[in-house]
Amino acid sequence: DTAVSQTPKYLVTQMGNDKSIKCEQNLGHDTMYWYKQDSKKFLKIMFSYNNKELIINETVPNRFSPKSPDKAHLNLHINSLELGDSAVYFCASSQVSGSRDEQFFGPGTRLTVL
Amino acid sequence: QQQVKQSPQSLIVQKGGISIINCAYENTAFDYFPWYQQFPGKGPALLIAIRPDVSEKKEGRFTISFNKSAKQFSLHIMDSQPGDSATYFCAASIYWEDDKIIFGKGTRLHILP
Repeated sequence: DTAVSQTPKYLVTQMGNDKSIKCEQNLGHDTMYWYKQDSKKFLKIMFSYNNKELIINETVPNRFSPKSPDKAHLNLHINSLELGDSAVYFCASSQVSGSRDEQFFGPGTRLTVL
Repeated sequence: QQQVKQSPQSLIVQKGGISIINCAYENTAFDYFPWYQQFPGKGPALLIAIRPDVSEKKEGRFTISFNKSAKQFSLHIMDSQPGDSATYFCAASIYWEDDKIIFGKGTRLHILP
């Protein structure tokens, strides 16, 4: 059974387009996250949601907007895509507040902006 | 500002050898230090974690050594195997603050067969 799933796995799109990445977790966790991993493998948190409430909102462009329709889902919408948005985006979840709780990562979505 | 500094960036070790990855931090409020392992094409997965009230934690071939006064911690992989080849991230967080975990920049480990 997949614990944290993301779709699509690969996303290739043109600059200026709007795209979404979906994330679902079947672990019953309360907290979900989005991370960006750049070409140098640097992993940086973007957003954190706890029970559908935004907890962390790092300094990311407001073109990025997370949407949490329910506790098990946290989708990432990206408007007006730019070349610099190319990266691997990981969704993650944890049982409670993640700062001292294991985070379970999804398989990642490789976004390529042309 | 990089709050968790990790070294080396890449590491090649012979099979059966000891792999050592080091991390240093500045913020003395950090109180939880996990290590994550990431295989190519996969998301990171928790490997082992330590709190600052102990100086060492061992799980199988993996050991975290923690030096609170030096603000350093390291991962030791004993009897390294080709299957250990992955990227390793150290991280740190403050329990009473938000959910944020700060990751190091990662170490690409390659174990020679």
